This record gives sequence, C-alpha cells and structure tokens, in this order.
Amino acid sequence: VHLEESGGGTVQPGGSLRLSCVASGFNFNGYEMNWVRQAPGKGLEWVSYINPDGNEIHYADSVRGRFTISRDNGNKSIFLQMNSLTVEDTAVYYCARDGLDGYNPDYWGQGTLVTVSS
Amino acid sequence: IVLTQSPGTLSLSPGERATLSCRASQRVSGVYLAWYQQKPGQAPRLVIFGGSTRATGIPDRFSGSGSGTDFTLTISRLEPEDSAVYYCQQYASSPPYTFGQGTNLEIK
Repeated sequence: VHLEESGGGTVQPGGSLRLSCVASGFNFNGYEMNWVRQAPGKGLEWVSYINPDGNEIHYADSVRGRFTISRDNGNKSIFLQMNSLTVEDTAVYYCARDGLDGYNPDYWGQGTLVTVSS
Repeated sequence: IVLTQSPGTLSLSPGERATLSCRASQRVSGVYLAWYQQKPGQAPRLVIFGGSTRATGIPDRFSGSGSGTDFTLTISRLEPEDSAVYYCQQYASSPPYTFGQGTNLEIK
C-alpha cells in the first residue's frame, strides 16, 4: 500500500490550493479515504471523508463550506480543493485509507505541507 | 466525543512497561477504538484497531484493552525505537473520526 500526496505549498490568506493523493498497491475503488491534518507541533485533526463511489462525503466543521473532497477512481486519486485559506489551515495534510471495517484509517501517506502566510 | 489521553509525557527506561490511557467523554464501543504511533517527521502508523487487535507488523509487546470510556495501550519490554507520540482515535457518526491529544513516550 502506498499513498503519495502532492500540491502543498505556501499561499496567502484567502488563497486556494488543490491537494492530490495518488494510491497504489491495493484495490483503490473499494476503499473509503480521508484527509487528516496536523498543525505544526500539534495533534491530529480529521478533515474530510469520501466513500468509494464518491457519493457520501463528510467534512469537519472547521473546513465545511471552504474545502471540497473528490476522487477519481480511474486514476486512483483523491483530491482536496481548499479555498478561503486562513493561517489556522497551516498544517501537514495526510491522505489516509480506511480499514475494511471503516472505523480506523490504516495506511497514511507521508503528507504535504500547506503554509498559509502573508 | 472527546478523547483525553494521559499522561502527556511518559519517560521510561528500556525493558520497562508503558501504560498509556485514553478516556472518552461518552461510552465508546471498543470496536471503534484505535491507537497510532507517530515518530518525528513521519506519518502516523496504526498500532491497534478494534480496541485490542494488533495491526500488521506490530510486535506482540503492544497490547490494547479497555471498554466503555477507559482504554489502555500497554507496551511491555520497552525498546528505544518505541519512542514516539501515541494517539488514540475513535469512530463515531459525526464527525467520523476524533483523536486524543497524544502521549509523548520517551525512552531514556
């Protein structure tokens, strides 16, 4: 199982970024996926979830209305479109696969750093 | 549901036993409880899921237990490579996932 995130970088407050996560080594079409973030020196915060078909989606209250999760099963990828970014969104963003029972993420990518700063 | 982990930092010697606590603000099914290990600069790694089942590749020195609102991760015979921050995590309907604030385990 391998998950590789990309798309992070530095952006000004109010700006946008689109994160990508490419999966390999497993049947991507059959798995729920998540984005989880970690602010510098802080703990883990779940951000968003998408089911295998892409028709069930959830967001943390802190990002709802600003972030959009999507997936492309043909290219074994998920995405996170982040708009209206604030300094509080500064974090490493991890792509994480749900275990088959759907209760706990079992594999994580190495993360991509998003810095929101003027 | 809020998960509160204790202690915040735990300093032990190689060969000793570590006991990490995770307390939930409401009753949680053990089926939904997991523990993760995170070393500096690395992604979290699943250690325990379903409250007590070791993930792939996790040595049997690691064990999970508990029920209701109190859950424990025990690491027996500590080794230097066990130094990490450990997070508990639970599944609920909304939001789907919450994490504890972490316990920093130092092996001195």
